[in-house]
Amino acid sequence: SQTIHQWPATLVQPVGSPLSLECTVEGTSNPNLYWYRQAAGRGLQLLFYSVGIGQISSEVPQNLSASRPQDRQFILSSKKLLLSDSGFYLCACAIRNTEAFFGQGTRLTVV
Amino acid sequence: AQSVSQHNHHVILSEAASLELGCNYSYGGTVNLFWYVQYPGQHLQLLLKYFSGDPLVKGIKGFEAEFIKSKFSFNLRKPSVQWSDTAEYFCAVGDFGNEKLTFGTGTRLTIIP
Repeated sequence: SQTIHQWPATLVQPVGSPLSLECTVEGTSNPNLYWYRQAAGRGLQLLFYSVGIGQISSEVPQNLSASRPQDRQFILSSKKLLLSDSGFYLCACAIRNTEAFFGQGTRLTVV
Repeated sequence: AQSVSQHNHHVILSEAASLELGCNYSYGGTVNLFWYVQYPGQHLQLLLKYFSGDPLVKGIKGFEAEFIKSKFSFNLRKPSVQWSDTAEYFCAVGDFGNEKLTFGTGTRLTIIP
């Protein structure tokens, strides 16, 4: 089964600094990949999803971007963080018609 | 647009009570449906899933869900809850092939011993 590696687990960044969160997948090929933000009372908000290398769909226009440079690598980025970017970010992976598996998550605090 | 609604934000029940959590989705095509659970301090785990076939799906820990296509619903049920079921429950819908996977806002379930 798939294993999702997501790092770092926690991150504290100043406002205006760049961001790069990386997610890699083992145990499968050509997965669908997702970035979610989880906030209390708002559930899991889908930010980006990708069905293949270089293919990114954005769900929420905001200060973030995503890239998929390799089949099993998904990166969430920002050029300049805002306070409102603070949150818990989850990477997930799903194969066609299977459930999604989640990484451990990254707690981002922008100060 | 694909969306999921969970109308119950917080449900409080006594042990042994029956549970039903509502989930409605909006999507015109073939869907895959999921319920996930997140216990306090833990990560999301799959309770059950529906792709096709029998619309009544049984999952782990005595949970089941029924897909009613005409109502765009996939409600979660358990006949008798336990204190250990205290958690947050998320409904999710995927389009065909799970290219886009959308979650609801979650329902917090508190079981009183």
